[in-house]
Amino acid sequence: GAGVSQTPSNKVTEKGKYVELRCDPISGHTALYWYRQSLGQGPEFLIYFQGTGAADDSGLPNDRFFAVRPEGSVSTLKIQRTERGDSAVYLCASSLGQGNYEQYFGPGTRLTVT
Amino acid sequence: SQKIEQNSEALNIQEGKTATLTCNYTNYSPAYLQWYRQDPGRGPVFLLLIRENEKEKRKERLKVTFDTTLKQSLFHITASQPADSATYLCALDFDRGSTLGRLYFGRGTQLTVWP
Repeated sequence: GAGVSQTPSNKVTEKGKYVELRCDPISGHTALYWYRQSLGQGPEFLIYFQGTGAADDSGLPNDRFFAVRPEGSVSTLKIQRTERGDSAVYLCASSLGQGNYEQYFGPGTRLTVT
Repeated sequence: SQKIEQNSEALNIQEGKTATLTCNYTNYSPAYLQWYRQDPGRGPVFLLLIRENEKEKRKERLKVTFDTTLKQSLFHITASQPADSATYLCALDFDRGSTLGRLYFGRGTQLTVWP
């Protein structure tokens, strides 16, 4: 079956613009996570969904960042008024949830803010 | 605040040898610890999970140990091959009694296995 997919694979945007990053999790996975990875660093947690609701958004750096998962499947990470410091690879992961802790990651979206 | 350290940024070994990677953490012990492999331009891939009440886990050529007294996990790859060259990440989950699975990652160790 298909793995986690993310679109676009690359996004270049100007400072101050709005961007949306999309994640398609593995079918049937109820848990979905967003992480951000800077060069030479490990992934940094942003937000976690169980079903449609954000169970933990404590990793979002500020209120310019927002994520939704309206139907409990596809998720969109939204960044307003982008800043150069937002440049990173944004990773999405999904898992079966309910005590299954293994996470399956997508290839990531490389965001560059110029 | 919690700190996760992976031994060195890079480890170079000869094919056939055993690679040993270290993950140390401070303060609180995790409920469980995972190891992931990451290749350039790709997302991490799950390898092994070990719980706080387990000492050792094995899967094929991989072995993970977990010492909550030392606050350390060791990740071993035996009979290493050039195809094992990648960055290896340790990830900790501190949430007990929940299914959140929020992970805290180390920076990773880049392993190179040369023929």
